[in-house]
Amino acid sequence: DQQVKQNSPSLSVQEGRISILNCDYTNSMFDYFLWYKKYPAEGPTFLISISSIKDKNEDGRFTVFLNKSAKHLSLHIVPSQPGDSAVYFCAARKGGTSGSRLTFGEGTQLTVNP
Amino acid sequence: DAGVTQSPTHLIKTRGQHVTLRCSPISGHKSVSWYQQVLGQGPQFIFQYYEKEERGRGNFPDRFSARQFPNYSSELNVNALLLGDSALYLCASSSGNLGNEQFFGPGTRLTVL
Repeated sequence: DQQVKQNSPSLSVQEGRISILNCDYTNSMFDYFLWYKKYPAEGPTFLISISSIKDKNEDGRFTVFLNKSAKHLSLHIVPSQPGDSAVYFCAARKGGTSGSRLTFGEGTQLTVNP
Repeated sequence: DAGVTQSPTHLIKTRGQHVTLRCSPISGHKSVSWYQQVLGQGPQFIFQYYEKEERGRGNFPDRFSARQFPNYSSELNVNALLLGDSALYLCASSSGNLGNEQFFGPGTRLTVL
């Protein structure tokens, strides 16, 4: 039962343009969502997060949008840079007594071409 | 400040053997979580420890066990290794139990032959 899905295994964009990475979830108990970036041979690096009480959070070039009714979130990177090329993971956390357990999607490989 | 550290970096074992992986969280962080990442998939939650108590367990067999020490470092133990246990094992630390921001270590690459 894949509760968090990233349906695009890969995405390729030109430097300077916008990158949009998408994520869908099925469990309405999720109350906190995170995006991580992962380079080969490194652990995931936290990028940005959003609480379910918000619909947008922005940090520099990164903006996360949450559409609760559609159970969908997206990460926008503007402008995209070659150094952004990495695998991006969407993750979700349940509220209540679930602690810090994160449920991850399968990841999207972003390639930013110079 | 040092980030999350894990040891060893790489490990090769044979089927049936036992393995111990180690993790040191960021200074001041009291929560440690373990994840398994198989190639081509996202990390899968194994355990969370907070203040030396188990706070969560994922859908993994009893061959997997963990503990947290008074200094908040942690060990993940896997008994009777199977070929399917080959994966990247990630440790994440956070300051509180809910872990709104979890910081991951570089991982331990385990290969079971």
